[in-house]
Amino acid sequence: EVQLVESGGGLVQPGGSLRLSCSASGFTFSSYDMHWVRQAPGKGLEYVAAVSSDGGSTDYADSVKGRFTISRDNSKNTLHLQMSSLRAEDTAVYYCVKVKRILELPSGMPLPEDYYFMDVWGKGTAVTVSS
Amino acid sequence: DIVMTQSPFSLPVTPGEPASISCRSSQSLLHNNGYNYLDWYLQKPGKSPQLLIYLSSNRASGVPDRFSGSGSGTDFTLKISRVEADDVGVYYCIQTLQAYTFGQGTKLEIK
Repeated sequence: EVQLVESGGGLVQPGGSLRLSCSASGFTFSSYDMHWVRQAPGKGLEYVAAVSSDGGSTDYADSVKGRFTISRDNSKNTLHLQMSSLRAEDTAVYYCVKVKRILELPSGMPLPEDYYFMDVWGKGTAVTVSS
Repeated sequence: DIVMTQSPFSLPVTPGEPASISCRSSQSLLHNNGYNYLDWYLQKPGKSPQLLIYLSSNRASGVPDRFSGSGSGTDFTLKISRVEADDVGVYYCIQTLQAYTFGQGTKLEIK
């Protein structure tokens, strides 16, 4: 069974730092791109960051660019999110998400190019930025 | 940036009745490969989101055929042919053409 278990959340003061981790099991971690997605209290979902399967390529939402760093350790099946210069608006539940790549539709029709979607989500870890 | 707008915000539905959720994007989500880069997720109360539909109209594995997605360009619709109690939660559309942007969500509740 595919499992993603986030950890590292907690209360931090504005301007502080925090490192989130996500332990993956039940699949070949090193073969899949991974994302972080967050959800502020009572709000909708917001994409945060992505990392390629080998860790060589990363992407960030404008709201966190320059402050957050996504990384992975494929030898330990672990995804990380290093967060610094934290702000009140970073308060949220942070989800670790496995990305699935498909080459064809359910009908068997091949896709002209690969498509990626977020297919498994962890339960999330809560981050609160407050003084 | 592509902005996603869902309607309605809240959707009370009687069990057994159909339901429809609209999602509009500020730019076309039609990729030059002919596919619309639009997915739908459901977040049940207290749970993590789960994928329902990808590429506008393709049901994810295990999703009942009561759920269907349609649309192209900037206008998309998620339909539930017969709502069941287990369908309650918040439905999100997300564009995957340029980075990722979620809609604000539509809360489906049972009357």
